[in-house]
Amino acid sequence: GAGVSQTPSNKVTEKGKYVELRCDPISGHTALYWYRQSLGQGPEFLIYFQGTGAADDSGLPNDRFFAVRPEGSVSTLKIQRTERGDSAMYLCASSPDGNNYGYTFGSGTRLTVV
Amino acid sequence: SQQGEEDPQALSIQEGENATMNCSYKTSINNLQWYRQNSGRGLVHLILIRSNEREKHSGRLRVTLDTSKKSSSLLITASRAADTASYFCAVRSFGANSKLTFGKGITLSVRP
Repeated sequence: GAGVSQTPSNKVTEKGKYVELRCDPISGHTALYWYRQSLGQGPEFLIYFQGTGAADDSGLPNDRFFAVRPEGSVSTLKIQRTERGDSAMYLCASSPDGNNYGYTFGSGTRLTVV
Repeated sequence: SQQGEEDPQALSIQEGENATMNCSYKTSINNLQWYRQNSGRGLVHLILIRSNEREKHSGRLRVTLDTSKKSSSLLITASRAADTASYFCAVRSFGANSKLTFGKGITLSVRP
């Protein structure tokens, strides 16, 4: 597609539930990133994919968070047993190679855990 | 941890004035990037400057990089009300799998 697409744009879920957030990057971009942004803060790194593999998952806060990119394009961020503290904007970005170019961000998914 | 730290945290100027925003970082970098974010939306890449570059221009934007001081500045000339947004600097360290680390951002308000 022309840009990075994230769905849903908004998600409200109850504490303890499981959620999946989807990211569709720009076609041909091998690098894909997930960030989380709280109000008034900068984006906080979660995980980075190069192709199908997670090159760096050091930002995932705990084992409730998991992400996949099985075919090297679409990625899904999965959060189990959601907590109110997980409420934030989840941003996905892609880049041609992750090294020499800026990132193209999607519009984000606003997750609210009630 | 957020390596890039922007200064000031908030800036309010009159339309037509220039806006200068600063960023400091802590470790050696491969490149530094500036992004803009309008309220409630995704970030937009503005400009990338590599560690061996000292200055770069793009339209009304001018970015400088001083690696000896570990700092960068973003200058927006002849500001417009539409420039009102949050601005973030982000740094990329060396290494094949290095990711961008963002600062907390600067809120710029341009009064018409």
